[in-house]
Amino acid sequence: EPEVTQTPSHQVTQMGQEVILRCVPISNHLYFYWYRQILGQKVEFLVSFYNNEISEKSEIFDDQFSVERPDGSNFTLKIRSTKLEDSAMYFCASSGGRHTITYEQYFGPGTRLTVT
Amino acid sequence: AQKITQTQPGMFVQEKEAVTLDCTYDTSDQSYGLFWYKQPSSGEMIFLIYQGSYDEQNATEGRYSLNFQKARKSANLVISASQLGDSAMYFCAMRAGGFKTIFGAGTRLFVKA
Repeated sequence: EPEVTQTPSHQVTQMGQEVILRCVPISNHLYFYWYRQILGQKVEFLVSFYNNEISEKSEIFDDQFSVERPDGSNFTLKIRSTKLEDSAMYFCASSGGRHTITYEQYFGPGTRLTVT
Repeated sequence: AQKITQTQPGMFVQEKEAVTLDCTYDTSDQSYGLFWYKQPSSGEMIFLIYQGSYDEQNATEGRYSLNFQKARKSANLVISASQLGDSAMYFCAMRAGGFKTIFGAGTRLFVKA
C-alpha cells in the first residue's frame, strides 16, 4: 500500500541553525501539507502546497519557514533559523489523486525535531 | 471561525466492549469533511475514517463507525469490540473551505484487559 515517507525520523539541531525536513508524498497525490505537533499538544496546520505554490498557510508559518518541491517526488520544509520553540513533531501529509479530489489526507510517520 | 471540540481528555473501556469518543465541530461552510485519526505511542498519525458533509449515511470502516449528526454538529467515533491495540490518542479533525485541516485536542483511550 502506498505511503508517505519522511526523513530523518529524528533531527537534533542547535538554535539558530537551518534544518530541512524531507517528505516523499504518495506518488499520484497532488496536494501536500506540513503540520506540527508540540509534545502533548494538538496537531497544528502549517502550510498546504498545490501546483507548485503555497495554497494556504497558518500564522505559524512565518518568514522562517519555506517549502519546496524540488523534483517530482520530494517535498521539503525548511526552517531557516531554528528556535527552541520549534521543537516538535513535524508531519507531512498528502491527498488527492489525479482523477478525484478527496478530503482524505494521509500522514507520514513524522520527524521529531529537537532544538537545543 | 472553524473549531473542533473534544471534551473527553481520557476514556477507559473494557476489552471487547464498544466505546464512543465525542467530537463537536463548528463551521459556517456547507461543504466540509470530518476525520478521525489514531495516534499510538509511537507517534504516527493513522487515518481511520472520513465523513463528508453531504454524505447521508454514516461512514463505517471495519470496527470504526462515525455517528454523524449534522444538525447537532457532532461526529462521534464509535469503536466496537475494543482491543488492547486500540489504546492510543484519537483526534477528530475537519477540513472546510480551504486546504487546512484543523484538529481537536484529542482523547486518550485506555483499553483494559
